[in-house]
Amino acid sequence: ILNVEQSPQSLHVQEGDSTNFTCSFPSSNFYALHWYRWETAKSPEALFVMTLNGDEKKKGRISATLNTKEGYSYLYIKGSQPEDSATYLCAFITVDSGYALNFGKGTSLLVTP
Amino acid sequence: EAGVAQSPRYKIIEKRQSVAFWCNPISGHATLYWYQQILGQGPKLLIQFQNNGVVDDSQLPKDRFSAERLKGVDSTLKIQPAKLEDSAVYLCASSLALDRRNTEAFFGQGTRLTVV
Repeated sequence: ILNVEQSPQSLHVQEGDSTNFTCSFPSSNFYALHWYRWETAKSPEALFVMTLNGDEKKKGRISATLNTKEGYSYLYIKGSQPEDSATYLCAFITVDSGYALNFGKGTSLLVTP
Repeated sequence: EAGVAQSPRYKIIEKRQSVAFWCNPISGHATLYWYQQILGQGPKLLIQFQNNGVVDDSQLPKDRFSAERLKGVDSTLKIQPAKLEDSAVYLCASSLALDRRNTEAFFGQGTRLTVV
């Protein structure tokens, strides 16, 4: 069982604020790092699949970076909107995990108008 | 493309009763996962199938939980008998899982189980 840490646990921001979350994972045997968004009453959906050290990915106002050597990834949301309210999950795959995703506890984001 | 289908969406049972969940993955996805997400925690892998073979069931409480994947497609997860601590959301996911770029998991909407 791999220890994936996410911080903060929860976050409450105003519409228009920018925010970022952190995911820490073991740096050995790295294979891939995923970010998922899970809105209430919906399915978790993948935001990013990251595989290379130094990867930077962007989708609209959301972006993510990856540092496999030190074992962390950042997720950034620029100009948060109420529809960004969700739980953001980080999941880590090791070389020998058979593609199993090891999830952190998530960061719960609430954006109020 | 149809997504991952799960049923039922909600289930309330009394402790010591049995319950079963069903999952139909995305067509062509060889890998299927069952995750348990207890409130306040991250999803925990219960079992992973590759086609109809088990890859990892190390965290499955085998005294009460069982799972099978019929003909490498649909899957069922059963709990018998249920305990109060089994109250959780049970998520099914599938993936191509061919290489690093194809590890994205596609999730169903989950089954919210309440054991009273």
